[in-house]
Amino acid sequence: QITLKESGPTLVKPTQTLTLTCSFSGFSLSTTGMGVGWIRQPPGKALECLALIYWNDDKEYSPSLKSRLTITKDTSKNQVVLTMTNMDPVDTASYYCAHESRYIYGPVFDYWGQGTLVTVSS
Amino acid sequence: DIVMTQTPLSLSVTPGQPASISCKSSQSLLFGDGKTYLFWYLQKPGQSPQLLIYEVSRRFSGVPDRFSGSGSGTDFTLQISRVEAEDVGVYYCMQGIHFRTFGQGTKVEIK
Repeated sequence: QITLKESGPTLVKPTQTLTLTCSFSGFSLSTTGMGVGWIRQPPGKALECLALIYWNDDKEYSPSLKSRLTITKDTSKNQVVLTMTNMDPVDTASYYCAHESRYIYGPVFDYWGQGTLVTVSS
Repeated sequence: DIVMTQTPLSLSVTPGQPASISCKSSQSLLFGDGKTYLFWYLQKPGQSPQLLIYEVSRRFSGVPDRFSGSGSGTDFTLQISRVEAEDVGVYYCMQGIHFRTFGQGTKVEIK
């Protein structure tokens, strides 16, 4: 059974750096085809993919946010970490991490965490 | 970025009646491996998105057969044959041929 859970601060100040951790179980990020992504959703708005990391350490970033994002993995801890610099109130959103089994279902997030709401405010 | 455009943005359906949502992509979602990477999600109120359909028309594990997907190239459709109360929420299409992008969402409610 695949589960994911996001953790991190619920409130950050403008210009600060946000660090979110995705802790998962039920799969290994050292297994061929596995990936973890981060997706966010401002209140009442649509989903936006931020970054992905794969079993082979390949990474993909949102073209519009690439300069502010870094995604890393710790395979031994079953964790993926996302950092986003220079936070702004428009970055207020629920942040989700999600699993991908590229060679089973294709490039799609099949299992999602519950999400964590991050508010950016002074 | 590939832009995904959904219509309608909202839908009110009588239980037992069918519903249909359209999704159009700004470029073809047919990949070089012959597969088309178009996916559908449902986000129920207060919940995380859940995968319904992968590769245009394949139902994900546990998804009822009243949900079906169709289309090719840049035009896709999600159909619900008989809407039930538990189907309320926001439906999103997503493309996987380039960096993932989602449609704006279609809110489905029950009349």
